[in-house]
Amino acid sequence: AQSVTQLGSHVSVSEGALVLLRCNYSSSVPPYLFWYVQYPNQGLQLLLKYTSAATLVKGINGFEAEFKKSETSFHLTKPSAHMSDAAEYFCAVSEIQGAQKLVFGQGTRLTINP
Amino acid sequence: KAGVTQTPRYLIKTRGQQVTLSCSPISGHRSVSWYQQTPGQGLQFLFEYFSETQRNKGNFPGRFSGRQFSNSRSEMNVSTLELGDSALYLCASSFSETQGIGYTFGSGTRLTVV
Repeated sequence: AQSVTQLGSHVSVSEGALVLLRCNYSSSVPPYLFWYVQYPNQGLQLLLKYTSAATLVKGINGFEAEFKKSETSFHLTKPSAHMSDAAEYFCAVSEIQGAQKLVFGQGTRLTINP
Repeated sequence: KAGVTQTPRYLIKTRGQQVTLSCSPISGHRSVSWYQQTPGQGLQFLFEYFSETQRNKGNFPGRFSGRQFSNSRSEMNVSTLELGDSALYLCASSFSETQGIGYTFGSGTRLTVV
């Protein structure tokens, strides 16, 4: 069975500082990996996805993530935080072959301090 | 290009009642999935439809059901509502049969059971 662990339910950084949100996954088959962002009272917006091509994936709003198979990780980073980045972030995994569903982590709430 | 549309946005129901939620996917998308989001359990997969066929179902009781129409619009139904069914219900659509593309989510229907 697949699973996702997001380390840290709350992360707080200063505006302009590095953002690092951690995600580790468990999958018995090659995975697809995703990061989604959710703003209050809204649905989920896809930030980026890993689909077995390049291990360093660039997404929207300056975010990027690196797939590390040996560490089963897919951490999300942004070099310089902006106030508008304050939101909840979800890491998700799905199987390349098989069940067409996303398994989500518990989410990380990102707070940006001025 | 219109996004995924979910109606209604908010709903208040009484225990024991039933409810139907609607989802209109992005034009051309044939896969529709439903997720339940609660503070305690996070994001959980309900079911997924492709070309009017349910392909996958999550671990929810039989009170939760869904269907997809020939125009790819989908509905989910919850019968005999319980307080614990209060949640944000998210619909997501995808063009591809596989997960590589990534799902586009709607803004959700906030269901409150009183």
